[in-house]
Amino acid sequence: GAVVSQHPSRVICKSGTSVKIECRSLDFQATTMFWYRQFPKQSLMLMATSNEGSKATYEQGVEKDKFLINHASLTLSTLTVTSAHPEDSSFYICSASGAGAYSYEQYFGPGTRLTVT
Amino acid sequence: DAKTTQPTSMDCAEGRAANLPCNHSTISGNEYVYWYRQIHSQGPQYIIHGLKNNETNEMASLIITEDRKSSTLILPHATLRDTAVYYCIVRPQNTGTASKLTFGTGTRLQVTL
Repeated sequence: GAVVSQHPSRVICKSGTSVKIECRSLDFQATTMFWYRQFPKQSLMLMATSNEGSKATYEQGVEKDKFLINHASLTLSTLTVTSAHPEDSSFYICSASGAGAYSYEQYFGPGTRLTVT
Repeated sequence: DAKTTQPTSMDCAEGRAANLPCNHSTISGNEYVYWYRQIHSQGPQYIIHGLKNNETNEMASLIITEDRKSSTLILPHATLRDTAVYYCIVRPQNTGTASKLTFGTGTRLQVTL
């Protein structure tokens, strides 16, 4: 149990365009989802936390107008990188947490590698 | 989250036990010790967690010192597939909602033939 998927696994987009990354909890209801970013040879950095039906809470230094997060259902959260630039190229990872037995842990997705050309 | 300190890298021969240390001297009474690992270009994978007692599961053992200021993750028989970055994280275990995870730099474990 507790499987989280991400789509796409990798994406290449041109500078100035927007790209959407999906994060799905496949076998549990995710009341909270987390979005992380990881640059090469660095650790994961939390970008934002989203609760289903509420606005996301962004970490300091993360632009909420650039990284749009939607968590409209208990199984899906999306991260949209708007007007992407080469410096946004990174590995984006989501995690999900649910209710009851699923409330103690974060279950991670496999990640999405974004390359902006 | 309380800060943790881990060695940057370690090597281990395949088939031998890998012992990964972690210092967490400022851990609070309600904070658990969690271990995750990240194989290259994948999402983190949960390994084990504990509060004050030693824990064992099918992946690893976790030894926490009596004063809880440090811990050791033990992979009893390391294989090449255990090559990864291992993260030690301390966090409270809340009921009803998962708390944030703060990832440090972790230990890069290289298992060799």
